[in-house]
Amino acid sequence: KQEVTQIPAALSVPEGENLVLNCSFTDSAIYNLQWFRQDPGKGLTSLLLIQSSQREQTSGRLNASLDKSSGRSTLYIAASQPGDSATYLCAVEAAGNKLTFGGGTRVLVKP
Amino acid sequence: NAGVTQTPKFRILKIGQSMTLQCTQDMNHNYMYWYRQDPGMGLKLIYYSVGAGITDKGEVPNGYNVSRSTTEDFPLRLELAAPSQTSVYFCASSSTAQHSYEQYFGPGTRLTVT
Repeated sequence: KQEVTQIPAALSVPEGENLVLNCSFTDSAIYNLQWFRQDPGKGLTSLLLIQSSQREQTSGRLNASLDKSSGRSTLYIAASQPGDSATYLCAVEAAGNKLTFGGGTRVLVKP
Repeated sequence: NAGVTQTPKFRILKIGQSMTLQCTQDMNHNYMYWYRQDPGMGLKLIYYSVGAGITDKGEVPNGYNVSRSTTEDFPLRLELAAPSQTSVYFCASSSTAQHSYEQYFGPGTRLTVT
């Protein structure tokens, strides 16, 4: 059974610092990995999707890497801003177009 | 486009009551999903559908039922509400492109069972 873990569960950084969020999964036979952002009381917004054949994806200040063989992905957010404060979730698709989610990392960027 | 819409936003149920959570998408997506999110946890898949008339169980289906009579709608039914079903429920949809899609989420329904 696929298990997805995100460590740390919470993270607080001063504005301007780079953020590094970690995601690990137990079964390397995945089709893709997706990073989401969730604001309090809101739904999920997809940030980046990395196909299993890719090593990384970039969008603006966001960069996500994928090491399928070691079961790890890292989301980097450069030059953090208070508006980046949110919970970040990673999810993997292993089979059948179904996602398995990690527990999330709650991020606070202090002005 | 409205994307994925869910109603109601909030609901309080008494133990043993029943209700239906509504989900509609206007993106002509074939795939639709229901998740629940407990406090401080990730999302767990309840049921999913790959097209009208086709549904299947996810990781935590007990206590729930679904139907998919149209492409747009995917309601989730709770027949006998229990305190363990207190959670936030999210509906999502995706296109038919296999393994290269993104899932689009609704804003969620916050349900409390007392």
